[in-house]
Amino acid sequence: ETGVTQTPRHLVMGMTNKKSLKCEQHLGHNAMYWYKQSAKKPLELMFVYNFKEQTENNSVPSRFSPECPNSSHLFLHLHTLQPEDSALYLCASSLGPGLAYEQYFGPGTRLTVT
Amino acid sequence: AQSVTQLGSHVSVSEGALVLLRCNYSSSVPPYLFWYVQYPNQGLQLLLKYTSAATLVKGINGFEAEFKKSETSFHLTKPSAHMSDAAEYFCAVSFNAGGTSYGKLTFGQGTILTVHP
Repeated sequence: ETGVTQTPRHLVMGMTNKKSLKCEQHLGHNAMYWYKQSAKKPLELMFVYNFKEQTENNSVPSRFSPECPNSSHLFLHLHTLQPEDSALYLCASSLGPGLAYEQYFGPGTRLTVT
Repeated sequence: AQSVTQLGSHVSVSEGALVLLRCNYSSSVPPYLFWYVQYPNQGLQLLLKYTSAATLVKGINGFEAEFKKSETSFHLTKPSAHMSDAAEYFCAVSFNAGGTSYGKLTFGQGTILTVHP
């Protein structure tokens, strides 16, 4: 595997389900990010991790719970979601958290909440 | 507050024609600027970035962008469009927010490029 991978690619879940999204980066990066991409809205940064420590929570509802066990893996735990949470969830990584570092994105998980 | 505006949510060009995708930003401090491309059912791929070196930045796939401080713009261009350029393009800006230095990207709304034969 190369780059940033995300699993699953597609997920359909009910409002009472609990599921997790997984992201793995094979680039030796130290910072990882979760974004939400909804139709007709700009990409929204959700969480930032730098060396496994969360450095940003962009006012995300508590039904989204991130976990970063190491610099290569990032999870997004989902529970009691709402239909408006249906979106493409993108994971990204960068060499560091600095301003000039470009972010590398995974292919995303298309989430549908029914 | 800092922001990014992409003028035109849809741009349509003929194959072989000039591609021009517009991006304007607002910032009180020097920004770092990026263009990303997203093909259907894929993540974002970096096209190019500006980090205060040369104002004309060359990227992949024949794209380039020019940073114009006086106009607070970072428009993306390609001299000759190809069918494979059809995708959604995002301009993004990174600012030093509140004394922190982490790379918090702010994205524009995106521009869908259609290329006609």
